[in-house]
Amino acid sequence: GENVEQHPSTLSVQEGDSAVIKCTYSDSASNYFPWYKQELGKGPQLIIDIRSNVGEKKDQRIAVTLNKTAKHFSLHITETQPEDSAVYFCAATTGFQKLVFGTGTRLLVSP
Amino acid sequence: EAQVTQNPRYLITVTGKKLTVTCSQNMNHEYMSWYRQDPGLGLRQIYYSMNVEVTDKGDVPEGYKVSRKEKRNFPLILESPSPNQTSLYFCASSPNRLASTDTQYFGPGTRLTVL
Repeated sequence: GENVEQHPSTLSVQEGDSAVIKCTYSDSASNYFPWYKQELGKGPQLIIDIRSNVGEKKDQRIAVTLNKTAKHFSLHITETQPEDSAVYFCAATTGFQKLVFGTGTRLLVSP
Repeated sequence: EAQVTQNPRYLITVTGKKLTVTCSQNMNHEYMSWYRQDPGLGLRQIYYSMNVEVTDKGDVPEGYKVSRKEKRNFPLILESPSPNQTSLYFCASSPNRLASTDTQYFGPGTRLTVL
């Protein structure tokens, strides 16, 4: 089955810097890659997703890139702000019912 | 307000004492799922349901039961809880049965401690 690895497990940046979180997946048939943000005391919330027919997608300060050949995808956050501090999860699926999540990255943005 | 609610939010119990964590969504979603979140392991799916009376096992179903008698409710039942079920539990729902490629809406979580 699908296996998703996520790195780093923790990431500390200064406000205004960029942050990059990377994930690799094992199943070459995977075609949907969402990113979820989990703030303290809350459930995960979808922030951006990408499908396998697209190489990059942007939404304001966040972007996701996908390299199907290498089977990895990344989340990029530019001009980080303290409110970006959270745990971020990547996930991948082939399109069946199960979405496989990575182990999470704790991002800390210091003022 | 469209939301997924879970109750209780916090629960401390003892080994072997049956418990139920409720989950309800008011968005008329077809798909519902339960996950557990453990440090270093991310989110792992316990059970999911594609519609009323349709449930199936996820990655870690042992020790858990679910039911889907109504579209809005998807309770998680621990018949005989054990300490290794101490975890943070999330219920999620999605408008489409093919939830894996659609947005999942998560509840606020239930922190369970089994002594």
